Amino acid sequence: EDQVTQSPEALRLQEGESSSLNCSYTVSGLRGLFWYRQDPGKGPEFLFTLYSAGEEKEKERLKATLTKKESFLHITAPKPEDSATYLCAVSHLIQGAQKLVFGQGTRLTINP
Amino acid sequence: DAGVIQSPRHEVTEMGQEVTLRCKPISGHDYLFWYRQTMMRGLELLIYFNNNVPIDDSGMPEDRFSAKMPNASFSTLKIQPSEPRDSAVYFCASSLWGQGAPKFGPGTRLTVT
Repeated sequence: EDQVTQSPEALRLQEGESSSLNCSYTVSGLRGLFWYRQDPGKGPEFLFTLYSAGEEKEKERLKATLTKKESFLHITAPKPEDSATYLCAVSHLIQGAQKLVFGQGTRLTINP
Repeated sequence: DAGVIQSPRHEVTEMGQEVTLRCKPISGHDYLFWYRQTMMRGLELLIYFNNNVPIDDSGMPEDRFSAKMPNASFSTLKIQPSEPRDSAVYFCASSLWGQGAPKFGPGTRLTVT
């Protein structure tokens, strides 16, 4: 059975203090590793997809990396607006669709 | 692109009542997913459709849950009868064949008292 474990559950940082969120996974036949951001009261918002070990993607202060067993979301010099829950998911590509299995998320708080 | 539209945004009902949640996917998307989010279990896939046909409903928790997609622009998730443990946020998401990450709607927060 596919499993996705995210750590830590919650992280509180000062503005400008860089850190990393972890997503470890066990899945048969990984077809993609997804990162989403979720703000309170809203639906998850897509950030990145990674498909193979060694791949990296960047967007503003965020960089996602992938190995064969885990993914990291690196946050560089974060700002208060980066506060959100970050969700990781693994995918089975079935008939052209991404069937996602999500981790529990990391709740990130950036203090000004 | 108006995004995925869900209604209602909030629903409060009493145990035993029927609840219907509605979703309009992004125009042109051919996959539609229903997810449920709770503190205990996180985001769980309930069911998904391809071209209006249910493909995998293995995540539907009980026979009290049913989902339909009568056309490409509308889907419903029905709970009958509802129970307090059904309280959660229900999300609808849609995607296009072979083109990556599903896009989520704003969710419906369901409270069953």
